[in-house]
Amino acid sequence: EAQVTQNPRYLITVTGKKLTVTCSQNMNHEYMSWYRQDPGLGLRQIYYSMNVEVTDKGDVPEGYKVSRKEKRNFPLILESPSPNQTSLYFCASRAGQPYNSPLHFGNGTRLTVT
Amino acid sequence: GNSVTQMEGPVTLSEEAFLTINCTYTATGYPSLFWYVQYPGEGLQLLLKATKADDKGSNKGFEATYRKETTSFHLEKGSVQVSDSAVYFCALSVRNDYKLSFGAGTTVTVRA
Repeated sequence: EAQVTQNPRYLITVTGKKLTVTCSQNMNHEYMSWYRQDPGLGLRQIYYSMNVEVTDKGDVPEGYKVSRKEKRNFPLILESPSPNQTSLYFCASRAGQPYNSPLHFGNGTRLTVT
Repeated sequence: GNSVTQMEGPVTLSEEAFLTINCTYTATGYPSLFWYVQYPGEGLQLLLKATKADDKGSNKGFEATYRKETTSFHLEKGSVQVSDSAVYFCALSVRNDYKLSFGAGTTVTVRA
């Protein structure tokens, strides 16, 4: 089954404790992206990757890091989480072409930073 | 820049009622337009899309028509069911811009 898998689904942590949210897709997609969803703000892009070793900032990259060492994986790293990063996070992927290919989303990771 | 504005919710309807969610956009270039749906506890999934003016996207009884003259892509369904309760997002993408721009989402609740 074609899917995007994120882990964990729920995460509660404290300010400053480094964490990683994993994302993996099995569709051989070139493009992967991270979004955060906050009430009234819709989805905002954090980082995206066009292919292995190619990443770029989205609209809200501050406080986040990503890496793309393999095509299937795109982890999101919070080196020093803060309470304003409490949010619902989604990983998504799509084929590189055409540009209007639909995004496939994971089921989300709800992060709480206290 | 590119942006999407959709009607604020929440929207509460009775089963078999008519649903409209308004969506308008601003884009540099010629966008493709999408509606995504998010059911409770799940990620977003594509509901329908349209890639050029006057195209009509349709799926699961939902329809939306790409109106370039009014820069709109309103979502409609003639008779909603309880299972249509979800959050609906309008979105656009433009060639050479590597992201999808989303609206704020509209929460729809359908009562039996």
